[in-house]
Amino acid sequence: EVQLVESGGDLVQPGGSLRLSCAASGFTFSSFAMSWVRQAPGKGLEWISLISAPGTSTYYADSVKGRFIISRDNSKGTLFLQISSLRAEDTAVYYCAKNDGSGKGRYIDYWGQGTLVTVS
Amino acid sequence: TVVTQEPSFSVSPGGTVTLTCGLTSGSVSTTYYPSWYQQTPGQAPRTLIYNTNTRSSGVPDRFSGSILGNKAALIITGAQADDESDYYCMLYVGGGISVIGGGTKVTVL
Repeated sequence: EVQLVESGGDLVQPGGSLRLSCAASGFTFSSFAMSWVRQAPGKGLEWISLISAPGTSTYYADSVKGRFIISRDNSKGTLFLQISSLRAEDTAVYYCAKNDGSGKGRYIDYWGQGTLVTVS
Repeated sequence: TVVTQEPSFSVSPGGTVTLTCGLTSGSVSTTYYPSWYQQTPGQAPRTLIYNTNTRSSGVPDRFSGSILGNKAALIITGAQADDESDYYCMLYVGGGISVIGGGTKVTVL
């Protein structure tokens, strides 16, 4: 069974930084691209970042480019999101997601339960 | 790139509803690999449809996907009370980038 468990969400001041983690199990982590998607309170989903299976390629939405860094440790089955220069509008639940097997990140097939980041 | 979805839809129990997913500029085709996700309040999203029309494991066959005209579509046939949710479409725009629509709130009453 695929499991994705996020952690690291917290209350942080504007301008601060945080590192989110996602522990993956139930599949061969090193073979799949992974994504982060966020959802502000009462708002819709927003795709924010993708990392390739080996971790050599990363992609970002314009809204977070230059402030967020996605990375992974394939030896530990863990996905990360380093978020910095935080703004109030970054307040959201951050979901870790497993992508399809194409290697391109064309769709998401599994989602974690999310971790809440509050910037205030 | 902006992905458009109807803000809300209402459907009667047993009825059929078609949700659409478009682009403010251009047409949606299979090359955007449209996918659909269901989310109930307080829960994580669940994958329903990927690659335009492939149902994810365990998804009832009353959910189907297609391209209708210049948009992707999610059709719910024989709507049930527990289909009352928010539905999001995501389009892969290339270069590792995906964009998610604003979501459609479906009410079953």
